[in-house]
Amino acid sequence: GDSVTQMEGPVTLSEEAFLTINCTYTATGYPSLFWYVQYPGEGLQLLLKATKADDKGSNKGFEATYRKETTSFHLEKGSVQVSDSAVYFCALLSGGYQKVTFGTGTKLQVIP
Amino acid sequence: NAGVTQTPKFQVLKTGQSMTLQCAQDMNHNSMYWYRQDPGMGLRLIYYSASEGTTDKGEVPNGYNVSRLNKREFSLRLESAAPSQTSVYFCASSEAAGTYEQYFGPGTRLTVT
Repeated sequence: GDSVTQMEGPVTLSEEAFLTINCTYTATGYPSLFWYVQYPGEGLQLLLKATKADDKGSNKGFEATYRKETTSFHLEKGSVQVSDSAVYFCALLSGGYQKVTFGTGTKLQVIP
Repeated sequence: NAGVTQTPKFQVLKTGQSMTLQCAQDMNHNSMYWYRQDPGMGLRLIYYSASEGTTDKGEVPNGYNVSRLNKREFSLRLESAAPSQTSVYFCASSEAAGTYEQYFGPGTRLTVT
């Protein structure tokens, strides 16, 4: 079945540091890939997405590139802020189904 | 637009009690979902409704029932709560075709003692 593996947290960074959160996936066919963010006490929000190989999703300074050859979709940001502290979920949608498979989440804490 | 709303925000139940979690969306979405979120396990799909009038089991349906009351509303019922059902429950919705983004509600934190 489909699965998503992402790096365990928590990840603690100083403000303005470079962020990478690794995500790899297993799926049949050609899935769409997503990063969701969950701020404390809230539901998940879509951060960015990519629907085919080599696509780059970007939003709010975050980027991720759909790499089919390595089945990866790593999240990056050049300079994190305290307001980026949240839990980040990698996810995939396989084929034409509406069910999304989520990773276990990576907690990011940014300290001033 | 309120998006996806859930009630209640918090609930404490004793083992064996029943309750219904309510979810509504005002985005005219066809598909709706119930997830549970547990530490270290991410989000797991309990049930989903691809369209009004249909419901299907997800990854962890045991102990739960759902009702798609109309296009807007999708409720989750625990008939006899167990401590293993202590979790945070999220409802989500999405358009049936064309886009795949799911919109999430703020969650219900349920504790079963």
